[in-house]
Amino acid sequence: AQSVSQHNHHVILSEAASLELGCNYSYGGTVNLFWYVQYPGQHLQLLLKYFSGDPLVKGIKGFEAEFIKSKFSFNLRKPSVQWSDTAEYFCAVSSTRGNTGKLIFGQGTTLQVKP
Amino acid sequence: DAGVIQSPRHEVTEMGQEVTLRCKPISGHDYLFWYRQTMMRGLELLIYFNNNVPIDDSGMPEDRFSAKMPNASFSTLKIQPSEPRDSAVYFCACRRTGGTGELFFGEGSRLTVL
Repeated sequence: AQSVSQHNHHVILSEAASLELGCNYSYGGTVNLFWYVQYPGQHLQLLLKYFSGDPLVKGIKGFEAEFIKSKFSFNLRKPSVQWSDTAEYFCAVSSTRGNTGKLIFGQGTTLQVKP
Repeated sequence: DAGVIQSPRHEVTEMGQEVTLRCKPISGHDYLFWYRQTMMRGLELLIYFNNNVPIDDSGMPEDRFSAKMPNASFSTLKIQPSEPRDSAVYFCACRRTGGTGELFFGEGSRLTVL
C-alpha cells in the first residue's frame, strides 16, 4: 500500500531562513508527487507537482522540490521564508496506474515563521 | 468558476444525531473525493467517486458513514449516529480526467460532536 512520511511535524524558523521539509513515500510503481499548503483556516492549495521530466520542479511563491527516485524522496525547499509562509504543508502521492488521482497524504508539517 | 462549495462550514451537534455534509464540485470535474482531517490522523481519504459512481470506499471508517452522489453536481456525506470521535474537518475535493492531476479542495466542514 502507498504511504507518505513527513519527518518534521513542527518547524519554527525566523524570516529569511532557508527551509527544507522532508517527504518520503512508499510505493513500488510510478507515482505523481505533490506538495499542498494549508494556510490557517483555509483549504488546501497546490504548491507544486511532479509528473515526469526534470526532477527539480518549481512552484508558486518561490517554493521548489526535488524528486530523487533512488531515495523515494520529494523534499520541499525555499531559500528564504517569509512570515506569510506560516502554514501547514502536506506532501502527497498518487499512483499513475488507473490515473484516478487518488492522493495519499503525509501527516503534514506545521511551519511557523517568526517575524 | 465558484470552486468547490461545501456546506455547512461549521456544525456542532450532539452525540447520536444525524449529520449531513454537502458538496458541490467544480462543473466538469468527474472525480469527487471526501477527506477527513484530524490532528491525530492527518488527512484520510474516506471515499471517492468517478462519474457519480463510488469507486473506493475502503476509507470509510464504519457503517455509520455513508456517501452518495446522485448527480454530477452534488454529493453528501452522512454520519448516523454521530459520535464525539467523528469530530474533524471534512474536505471535499474534485478533479477532472485529463487535467493536470491537481485536486481542488473546498473550504471544509468543521464538525464538532459533543
